[in-house]
Amino acid sequence: AQKITQTQPGMFVQEKEAVTLDCTYDTSDQSYGLFWYKQPSSGEMIFLIYQGSYDEQNATEGRYSLNFQKARKSANLVISASQLGDSAMYICAMRESFGNEKLTFGTGTRLTIIP
Amino acid sequence: DAGVIQSPRHEVTEMGQEVTLRCKPISGHNSLFWYRQTMMRGLELLIYFNNNVPIDDSGMPEDRFSAKMPNASFSTLKIQPSEPRDSAVYFCASSDQGRIQETQYFGPGTRLLVL
Repeated sequence: AQKITQTQPGMFVQEKEAVTLDCTYDTSDQSYGLFWYKQPSSGEMIFLIYQGSYDEQNATEGRYSLNFQKARKSANLVISASQLGDSAMYICAMRESFGNEKLTFGTGTRLTIIP
Repeated sequence: DAGVIQSPRHEVTEMGQEVTLRCKPISGHNSLFWYRQTMMRGLELLIYFNNNVPIDDSGMPEDRFSAKMPNASFSTLKIQPSEPRDSAVYFCASSDQGRIQETQYFGPGTRLLVL
């Protein structure tokens, strides 16, 4: 079974609109962390935002926020006021349990912002 | 601060040749990861080190792949002999182990093409 599922292979969004990128995960651990990375066409992996399983509030970093619904095991990334520079692949990842450093990655969502 | 440094950035070689990829992690980070990214399989963890010791090499494809970390500031991933199916982007990442929220910081990647 997939541990990280991103069901949207690609999305097209009008500039300045908000966009939600879906991510669901599967784990039996109580302590885990969820990460989002951005991969532009140049190829580098850029860390965007982190959410811990025990964090009571949704994480926010500038225009990025994470809609964390623990019971549903979802950690959707929300980008507000999208910009042309947001066009990229967005990859969700999970780190299970303290002491285990391995990240499991989703297959990504390719986001294209339309002017 | 310098990020993770990888060299070379691009490598084109012929089948059967030895390929050596190099990585310098962020100073002070005690964990280092080697990943491979392909269109078909996404990001896959090959091996990771903690305090220069290999912890998990279960993702290393086969005996043709080997990785070393002789000191805290340098690691190599070697493929010998290389095959066309090894063509991919190879990323090195580093992190500061200890906190589950500690993210992995990725290098720019090495694009490998085996002809």
